[in-house]
Amino acid sequence: SSELTQDPAVSVALGQTVRITCQGDSLRSYYASWYQQRPGQAPVLVIYDKNYRPSGIPDRFSASSSGNTAYLTITGAQAEDEADYYCHSRDTSDKGVFGGGTKLTVL
Amino acid sequence: QVQLVESGGGVIQPGGSLRLSCTASGYTFTTYGLHWVRQAPGKGLEWVAVIWFDGSKKCYGDSVRGRFTISRDDYKNTLYLQMNSLRVEDTAVYYCARDPSSTSYHFDYWGQGTLVTVSS
Repeated sequence: SSELTQDPAVSVALGQTVRITCQGDSLRSYYASWYQQRPGQAPVLVIYDKNYRPSGIPDRFSASSSGNTAYLTITGAQAEDEADYYCHSRDTSDKGVFGGGTKLTVL
Repeated sequence: QVQLVESGGGVIQPGGSLRLSCTASGYTFTTYGLHWVRQAPGKGLEWVAVIWFDGSKKCYGDSVRGRFTISRDDYKNTLYLQMNSLRVEDTAVYYCARDPSSTSYHFDYWGQGTLVTVSS
């Protein structure tokens, strides 16, 4: 079955730029989507398809990809960006798969 | 506004069955695919199942295939997850999520989740 691999934890200084990585074979066929989850809350979509942000998501969130790797970049991280971030993709069997999640700490 | 409201969670013994519901409002139900996603306590998100907008296709994660069944009632604007042969490892918050995509999956609205606890 497909897998998506994320670094378990990443930290960034307030106002600096951080990139979160998601790696997996399914990303060669389908775009990743990215979700932010704060403690005790449901996930929130922050990026989908090539690099689209839903209404209400700040433009400091952006995405890119290369080969089997997708990236979520936060440019000018804010304290409220501290959360868990998950990537997700469809796979070639039409199943879905999440990455293990990255805990972002804003210092 | 779009709302997804899950219900049906609770405490169940191993081997038991439970049916979750997700009632949708604020949009045209029949034009969106729907997914179930779960999250075990303190763990990450796990994709469970999808049903396409017209019900023509259903897919399941490896850990639930053969035990869980996803379905939808377009007259009641409701998504279901029938869970049979429940195991302790099925304990999780179960979310329903709407999918507007026609190619890659993504989830633009989520419910608040319903907790399923499998324990003797």
